[in-house]
Amino acid sequence: AQTVTQSQPEMSVQEAETVTLSCTYDTSENNYYLFWYKQPPSRQMILVIRQEAYKQQNATENRFSVNFQKAAKSFSLKISDSQLGDTAMYFCAFHFGNEKLTFGTGTRLTIIP
Amino acid sequence: EAGVTQFPSHSVIEKGQTVTLRCDPISGHDNLYWYRRVMGKEIKFLLHFVKESKQDESGMPNNRFLAERTGGTYSTLKVQPAELEDSGVYFCASSHYLNEKLFFGSGTQLSVL
Repeated sequence: AQTVTQSQPEMSVQEAETVTLSCTYDTSENNYYLFWYKQPPSRQMILVIRQEAYKQQNATENRFSVNFQKAAKSFSLKISDSQLGDTAMYFCAFHFGNEKLTFGTGTRLTIIP
Repeated sequence: EAGVTQFPSHSVIEKGQTVTLRCDPISGHDNLYWYRRVMGKEIKFLLHFVKESKQDESGMPNNRFLAERTGGTYSTLKVQPAELEDSGVYFCASSHYLNEKLFFGSGTQLSVL
């Protein structure tokens, strides 16, 4: 069974700074997908970024980028030039084949004005 | 295009009562998922519908939970009788194809007192 671990329950950073959220996972599979989802106070879960395991290049979406280390089974999210609207719960998730998403416990990120 | 909608957004009930949660997926999405997050823990899979059929219900906690998807459109999740440990946020998500991006609803916050 796959597991996803987020070791930082809470983080805070000053607006405009860069912050990195950690995620590690455990799997015996080789081809899979990794995701970061954001859940703002509105509770709507929003996909932030997605990484295919077979791609060596790290995914980027504007101010969001990942550091995917397949051998180390690490998938961290970097938010550059953080904004107040980035305040949210962030969930790391793993997906393989036809199986359901496996989520981590989340990191509550607060951007301080 | 309307997103995934869930109703109600909040529900407060007493132990032993019955509650029914509803999810309307994005029109045309065959895949519908239910997830649950208990406070402070990870988001856990409950079940997966493909059209009106239950593809995977391995995450359903026990027989107090009953999910249906009438005609392959909206889905309901009934909890009867509700227990204290059922409290949490229940998310619904849908996708057109398997392995495609999931679109989440805003969840139903269930509180069992």
